[in-house]
Amino acid sequence: EAGVVQSPRYKIIEKKQPVAFWCNPISGHNTLYWYRQNLGQGPELLIRYENEEAVDDSQLPKDRFSAERLKGVDSTLKIQPAELGDSAVYLCASSSDYEQYFGPGTRLTVT
Amino acid sequence: GNSVTQMEGPVTLSEEAFLTINCTYTATGYPSLFWYVQYPGEGLQLLLKATKADDKGSNKGFEATYRKETTSFHLEKGSVQVSDSAVYFCALKRDNQAGTALIFGKGTTLSVSS
Repeated sequence: EAGVVQSPRYKIIEKKQPVAFWCNPISGHNTLYWYRQNLGQGPELLIRYENEEAVDDSQLPKDRFSAERLKGVDSTLKIQPAELGDSAVYLCASSSDYEQYFGPGTRLTVT
Repeated sequence: GNSVTQMEGPVTLSEEAFLTINCTYTATGYPSLFWYVQYPGEGLQLLLKATKADDKGSNKGFEATYRKETTSFHLEKGSVQVSDSAVYFCALKRDNQAGTALIFGKGTTLSVSS
């Protein structure tokens, strides 16, 4: 069974530029999460989807971040414009029951 | 609020040494507790979990017991191997709902030498 797929794995952009991350969850998993992991820290939730509905986006900085999960499968997380402080690893996870399965993450560097 | 505190690393051990990584939590209600591991270049993987007080989670020789009286979930292994070198994260879910997000500690880096 394929795991959670994320792309790109690495991204370097200049500040004020837009960037997008893509996630393909495990087939059949209704719940999808985006976490952000700053250097030396644990992951922190940005947004959680149940199918195509965002049920917890309280930690998403909505002035510059947006996310979508069309058709309740793949998801895209966007930052526009990026700031230096957005440099981090962005993790996608999915679950169908109790266990969350994580993708390898996208490492974003904003210069 | 809910939070997790782990001992700071790095933890450096020789092969076959005993490992303890301390984890304490703050939570309202009855959280579930987890240990995740991140091997170099790989994604987070669930190592073990415990869903109620006094439960012991175990996997690959690692163990952790959910202690409500001390609000702790310390990770232990009797004899570590070089292949155990990784970053270990303690985490909680504030309830037993399947979709609830995880709250992580900062992670503890373990380095095992032969």
